Amino acid sequence: DSGVTQTPKHLITATGQRVTLRCSPRSGDLSVYWYQQSLDQGLQFLIQYYNGEERAKGNILERFSAQQFPDLHSELNLSSLELGDSALYFCASSPTWSSYEQYFGPGTRLTVT
Amino acid sequence: ELKVEQNPLFLSMQEGKNYTIYCNYSTTSDRLYWYRQDPGKSLESLFVLLSNGAVKQEGRLMASLDTKARLSTLHITAAVHDLSATYFCAVDLPSMYSGGGADGLTFGKGTHLIIQP
Repeated sequence: DSGVTQTPKHLITATGQRVTLRCSPRSGDLSVYWYQQSLDQGLQFLIQYYNGEERAKGNILERFSAQQFPDLHSELNLSSLELGDSALYFCASSPTWSSYEQYFGPGTRLTVT
Repeated sequence: ELKVEQNPLFLSMQEGKNYTIYCNYSTTSDRLYWYRQDPGKSLESLFVLLSNGAVKQEGRLMASLDTKARLSTLHITAAVHDLSATYFCAVDLPSMYSGGGADGLTFGKGTHLIIQP
């Protein structure tokens, strides 16, 4: 158990809908990362927040957005969902911006029907 | 754009044998990570390699990093069934912000390893 928690574990929704995935980092960690894992694209970095501020962007679609709140938990919002958005979404955290190791949460499996 | 290539992508081997997984990357970096993933599970950190020539060992697994060749290897010694999993290497680049720090990781496609009794 890495100490990173994600909810929900599973999510099934229809095309065109909007969902929110939630992540709580390890106690004391300030940095949160979001990744998407799919059969087509593999593991892709989406976005990083550090202490409430966006810090780096990867291959995140415009339909997706994220934020990190004052209590350091983060939410990933996915809208206008398409079948291809079905994937496992991981959150990871690290202590500070200068820490090298990322600790991954259990993931949220999103199925779009 | 940073690219990370692993090979092989699939590997079936017998218990007791040795094998090596290779990870090549396209842009200068001295930070490389190895993760293990069991089916339907999260990523477990195995090794963090932070300098040229770094070598780390844990049990039957040993990882090394050659930054000049942009190559890392994960060597499996006397494989056992419990090591069956998918292994990913990942690289990050020095942060675009003030010195050091870690941005998002770029992962290889993973090596799906099956170890048969």
